[in-house]
Amino acid sequence: DVVMTQSPLSLPVTLGQPASISCRSTQSLVDSSGRTYLHWFHQRPGQSPRRLIYLVSTRDSGVPDRISGSGSGADFTLKISRVEAEDVGLYYCMQTQFWPYTFGQGTKLEI
Amino acid sequence: EVQLVESGGGLVRPGGSLRLSCAASGFTFSNIGMAWVRQSPGKGLEWVAYINEDGSRGSYVDSVRGRFTMSRDNAEKSVSLQMNNLRADDTAVYYCVKSGWCDNWGQGTLVTVSS
Repeated sequence: DVVMTQSPLSLPVTLGQPASISCRSTQSLVDSSGRTYLHWFHQRPGQSPRRLIYLVSTRDSGVPDRISGSGSGADFTLKISRVEAEDVGLYYCMQTQFWPYTFGQGTKLEI
Repeated sequence: EVQLVESGGGLVRPGGSLRLSCAASGFTFSNIGMAWVRQSPGKGLEWVAYINEDGSRGSYVDSVRGRFTMSRDNAEKSVSLQMNNLRADDTAVYYCVKSGWCDNWGQGTLVTVSS
C-alpha cells in the first residue's frame, strides 16, 4: 500500500501567523495523463472531515484563498498564510492514485 | 445541498454482524461512486470500501475483504455496508462518503465491537 507521511504531527501556531504541513507518499501520485491524485481534508473537533483541496491545488467551494496546496510527484504541502481560530483541528492528506486509497496520519493544528 | 445520512451503528459482539445504511440526496446519485471510510483512535482515517456508479464493481481494503460487502440501490439513492464476522479492531466511526475523491461526508455512525 502507498504510505502517506505527514509532518509535523502537531503544529502549534499563533493567530495571524503562517502554517505549513508536509505530506510525502512512497510512490509518485501522477497518472499517465499527468493528473496528480492528492487531496487535503480538515476535521474540526467533533465534526466530520471536510475536503479543502483536490488534485494538489484546487480549492473546494467556500475554502478561503489563504489556504493553498502545492507540490508534485510524491512531495506536497498545505499552507495557511494567516491562521485563524476556525483553522484548528486535524488536517489529512489522501492519495487516490492507487487502491487502497490511503490517508496520512493527520496533523493537529492548535492555537 | 448534498446530504449523506448514515444509520445502523451500534454495539455488537465479536463475530457478530451489522448492516450500515446511508441515504443520499442533493446530487445525481446514479452518476457517482460511493465509499465507506472509517475512523478509529488508533488508526486514524481508513478507506473501507468503494462501489462504482452502477454497483457492478466493489473494492475493499484487505482487512475487511471477505467479511464486508458494499451495495447500492440507485432507485432508493442509498448505499449499504453489510459487516460480518466483526472484530474488535473494526470498532470505529463509519462515514458514508460521496465519490472516490471524498467530496462530501456524512455525520458518521459509531460501530463498537466488544464482548
